[in-house]
Amino acid sequence: GESVGLHLPTLSVQEGDNSIINCAYSNSASDYFIWYKQESGKGPQFIIDIRSNMDKRQGQRVTVLLNKTVKHLSLQIAATQPGDSAVYFCAEGSRSNSNYQLIWGAGTKLIIKP
Amino acid sequence: DTGVSQDPRHKITKRGQNVTFRCDPISEHNRLYWYRQTLGQGPEFLTYFQNEAQLEKSRLLSDRFSAERPKGSFSTLEIQRTEQGDSAMYLCASSPGTGIDQPQHFGDGTRLSIL
Repeated sequence: GESVGLHLPTLSVQEGDNSIINCAYSNSASDYFIWYKQESGKGPQFIIDIRSNMDKRQGQRVTVLLNKTVKHLSLQIAATQPGDSAVYFCAEGSRSNSNYQLIWGAGTKLIIKP
Repeated sequence: DTGVSQDPRHKITKRGQNVTFRCDPISEHNRLYWYRQTLGQGPEFLTYFQNEAQLEKSRLLSDRFSAERPKGSFSTLEIQRTEQGDSAMYLCASSPGTGIDQPQHFGDGTRLSIL
């Protein structure tokens, strides 16, 4: 869903389960995608990125999947822990865009249930 | 490992006053960005520097806003004649190299509250 003001889309997950956070991007020319985690009162923290010549990339407990056909990006977090509670943002960029701006999504709030 | 540092963390001021924020990027990062973020929203791009050159400014950046990076290291963002609508978190980020596919690393921001 789309966030409006303070009403962020929220995902509630049981501790230990896997989380999947989805993001739809808008620009077909985008060729770089990045996920950030933002905890309350802190700046966004880089999680993982992926270029458009890949459809999957794995990090530590995280996997990013890219589907260029439907312009969809997802972040999978394995074995979710309480410390994963945060707002997650996806962002897209284009190497052909000379101003190097990232376009940010609306954010998804991840809540971990004990 | 020193990350991006921002000062102050919080600033409360009366409407009409001028404020200045400082950002110290990660050492040797060529690129420095300023963003504004309001509650529940993603960061909004304001401006960025490649070394000391300011290469892009958003239309959000009215003439009351000015940013500098005089020696290509730390940067300052000044807001003159502050207004209620300037209340937000101001974030600074830095990245190495010259391509877009270099992750931006963020500081923890300066939260500005206008009374």
